[in-house]
Parts: sequence; structure tokens; C-alpha cells
Amino acid sequence: NAGVTQTPKFQVLKTGQSMTLQCAQDMNHEYMSWYRQDPGMGLRLIHYSVGAGITDQGEVPNGYNVSRSTTEDFPLRLLSAAPSQTSVYFCASSYSPGAHTEAFFGQGTRLTVV
Amino acid sequence: GIQVEQSPPDLILQEGANSTLRCNFSDSVNNLQWFHQNPWGQLINLFYIPSGTKQNGRLSATTVATERYSLLYISSSQTTDSGVYFCAVENTDKLIFGTGTRLQVFP
Repeated sequence: NAGVTQTPKFQVLKTGQSMTLQCAQDMNHEYMSWYRQDPGMGLRLIHYSVGAGITDQGEVPNGYNVSRSTTEDFPLRLLSAAPSQTSVYFCASSYSPGAHTEAFFGQGTRLTVV
Repeated sequence: GIQVEQSPPDLILQEGANSTLRCNFSDSVNNLQWFHQNPWGQLINLFYIPSGTKQNGRLSATTVATERYSLLYISSSQTTDSGVYFCAVENTDKLIFGTGTRLQVFP
């Protein structure tokens, strides 16, 4: 059981480049989300999805796009990377966002924008 | 939005000592979890505990939802307990993290 899989693990981008961070889960979870973690800080919610075809903004959505065409996948797109987006990105999933569910995290993607 | 505060921000212990980490939150929540982020950055679920008390080996957690706080107890700490401990609360479909407690355990 793979759980939550993120690719790539590391990425270096030049300012203005675009890229997609991939996230896939094999637990048939309805709820998926993306976080960023900056040094000395907790995780901040970027976008989340309560099910296929439904997405919503979190605390820090600017500069990021998401879509949810299948239950398994929730990619995060950076359309024009900026140095302020240098961070570690985590994807998470849970059966549902409400009570009696646990969130499980991928191993993270370390992104550097130069 | 909901505010999540953790204390202390940093904690240094000698192996074998006990510690208590606290998480305060500003509104009612449907879900509260404790995570350990190890030195390699991996986030590991410790407890799902929206209310009550749970124990798992040397770790235990208590959440008093009516008073809006949760406590994580670590007994007989080991060097492998080092890392950052986060609590996260769910409110209106969003899982919101505190800023964490960084724990260093020395032999």
C-alpha cells in the first residue's frame, strides 16, 4: 500500500518557469490538500479538494492552481515560479474532511526557485 | 479563521526526561491530530484525538474540547523523539496547523 505519493522529491526552477507537482493516493480518500512549509514555520494550507471536481482555496492560494479530475490525483501547478515559492510542499489525504478521519501525508517536495 | 498556538516553541531534554507539549485553539473543532516531523522531514501521525485521552507506548495525548486545548505527553524521552511536534485542527473542511514545538533530546 503506497499511501500518498509525491513527485518529484526535489526540483530547482528558474524564476518564471512553470511546473506541476504531482500527488497520488491509493486509499480511495475523498479529501486531498496541499501545504507549504517554510523554515521555522508550520504547514500552511494552499488548496484543498473535498472530492473529484471540487476544489477550494486555503490560507495561501496565490500563485498556485489545482484541479481534481480523479479521486486518486491532485496536482499542484505553479504557472510562473517566483523565489517566494521556494519551500517544501506536502500533499495530504483523508477519507473525509470531517470528524473521525485521519490525514496522511506524502514525503514532500523540496522546491527551490532561483 | 481559527488560530492554533503551540507551546513551548523549543524544548531541550536529556534522555529519560518527561515533557508536556500544549496546543491551544481558538474555536470549536471537529478533528485534532498530533504529528511528529522527524529530522528527515517526514510527517508521522501520532494521535487522532478530537476529545478524550489516548496512549501509545511512551506517548499519550489528552484533548479537552470544551476548554479548547490538547496536551501531548512524552515520557522517558529518547534521542529518536527529536524533531518537531505539530498539532493540527480541522474546522470548516480545513486542517490548520500550529507552528510546532521543536524538541531536542540529548543522550
